[in-house]
Amino acid sequence: GNSVTQMEGPVTLSEEAFLTINCTYTATGYPSLFWYVQYPGEGLQLLLKATKADDKGSNKGFEATYRKETTSFHLEKGSVQVSDSAVYFCALSERSGNTPLVFGKGTRLSVIA
Amino acid sequence: DTGVSQDPRHKITKRGQNVTFRCDPISEHNRLYWYRQTLGQGPEFLTYFQNEAQLEKSRLLSDRFSAERPKGSFSTLEIQRTEQGDSAMYLCASSFDLGWQYFGPGTRLTVT
Repeated sequence: GNSVTQMEGPVTLSEEAFLTINCTYTATGYPSLFWYVQYPGEGLQLLLKATKADDKGSNKGFEATYRKETTSFHLEKGSVQVSDSAVYFCALSERSGNTPLVFGKGTRLSVIA
Repeated sequence: DTGVSQDPRHKITKRGQNVTFRCDPISEHNRLYWYRQTLGQGPEFLTYFQNEAQLEKSRLLSDRFSAERPKGSFSTLEIQRTEQGDSAMYLCASSFDLGWQYFGPGTRLTVT
C-alpha cells in the first residue's frame, strides 16, 4: 500500500538557519504530494503541493521538489523564523487532492531566537 | 467562506458511552473526509463522502463507528460504546471535485 516516511523530530534550529525535512514515499502510479503544517493550537493547513515529477511547490519561503527517481519530496527553507515553529506533515494522495490522504508521522520543528 | 468547522472542539466521555461529532464543510464542497490523529502520529483516513454517498471506509473504521452525510452538507461521526483506545483527535476535511483538502480544527476526544 501507499506510505510516507519522514524524518523523525524534534528538530531544533536557531533563527535564520537552513531547514531540511526529509520525506520519501511509496506509491503505485503517480501520486500528488503535499506538505501540511500544524501550528500550536491550530488545525492542519496546506503549505504546498506538487502533482507531477519535477514540479516544485513553494509557499511562505518553503519549497519542495517532486523527485520521482528518488521517490522524495523534501521540504526546505533557506532561513527559518521563530514563527515557523510547528509540526510539519508530508502526505500523498493517489490522484490530485481529492482522494484520501496518506500522512507521515510528522516532524516537530522548534526555532529558537 | 468561514472554513471547515467542527463541533464540539473537546469531548470527555466515560468508557462505554456513545459520542457524536459534527463537521460543517466549506459551502459547495462536495467531498468530505474524516481522519483520526493520535498523539505523535499523522492523521489516518477513516472514511469519505461525495455528496451523500459514502465512497470508502478504512479498515480502521470498526463497526462501532458510523458516519453520515444526510443531505450532502454537514456530516456526523458517531462512536458507540467508546473505548479508551478511541481517545484521539478527529479531523474533518472538505474539498471540491479535484481541489485540495481543507481541514477543520478537530474534535479532541478523551475516553476515561
